[in-house]
Amino acid sequence: SAVISQKPSRDICQRGTSLTIQCQVDSQVTMMFWYRQQPGQSLTLIATANQGSEATYESGFVIDKFPISRPNLTFSTLTVSNMSPEDSSIYLCSVGGYRRGNTEAFFGQGTRLTVV
Amino acid sequence: KQEVTQIPAALSVPEGENLVLNCSFTDSAIYNLQWFRQDPGKGLTSLLLIQSSQREQTSGRLNASLDKSSGRSTLYIAASQPGDSATYLCAVSGSGSSNTGKLIFGQGTTLQVKP
Repeated sequence: SAVISQKPSRDICQRGTSLTIQCQVDSQVTMMFWYRQQPGQSLTLIATANQGSEATYESGFVIDKFPISRPNLTFSTLTVSNMSPEDSSIYLCSVGGYRRGNTEAFFGQGTRLTVV
Repeated sequence: KQEVTQIPAALSVPEGENLVLNCSFTDSAIYNLQWFRQDPGKGLTSLLLIQSSQREQTSGRLNASLDKSSGRSTLYIAASQPGDSATYLCAVSGSGSSNTGKLIFGQGTTLQVKP
């Protein structure tokens, strides 16, 4: 299994500013994923972060709004840029880990972002 | 495009009841299916993972089944307890033999177990 630490756990930000969320994993992983969970909604994948290459964004998400870094195999950051109240969500980092003979997805505790 | 649906959206039961949560997906060519638990304002805790070649997985009072051909999975919770109150999310991954690692989630079932 993988243990994931996310920082900050929550933040309240002014519109127009940016917030960088950090994700640290206790083991080396090839792929890391960033998800968004809007209020009352399920999770939607923002992008896949691979070490040594540009992140791959899903439809509806762009690099200018959600720049991602992946400097090594245990760490990634997601920045939410030029924030508006519509960006208020929980942002979650995820990795694939090997447990009980299978590849399983593990999640951090999430970052609850409120934009005012 | 893969879509995942969970029924019911919310469920309230008295303590001790056995219950079933349902998950359906439109494209049967999945790599695996995973059930998660989410407490309010928190991250996700993995409960059970079923590979596409498997029919079911069990962990304690939880049992998850998978019928890939019909695009359905169920999560069975035996002898429910107030501590089981949470939102339960179903997610599918991959396509056929390849595991992209990307998960597509259902909307979740919010469970309340009353003492």
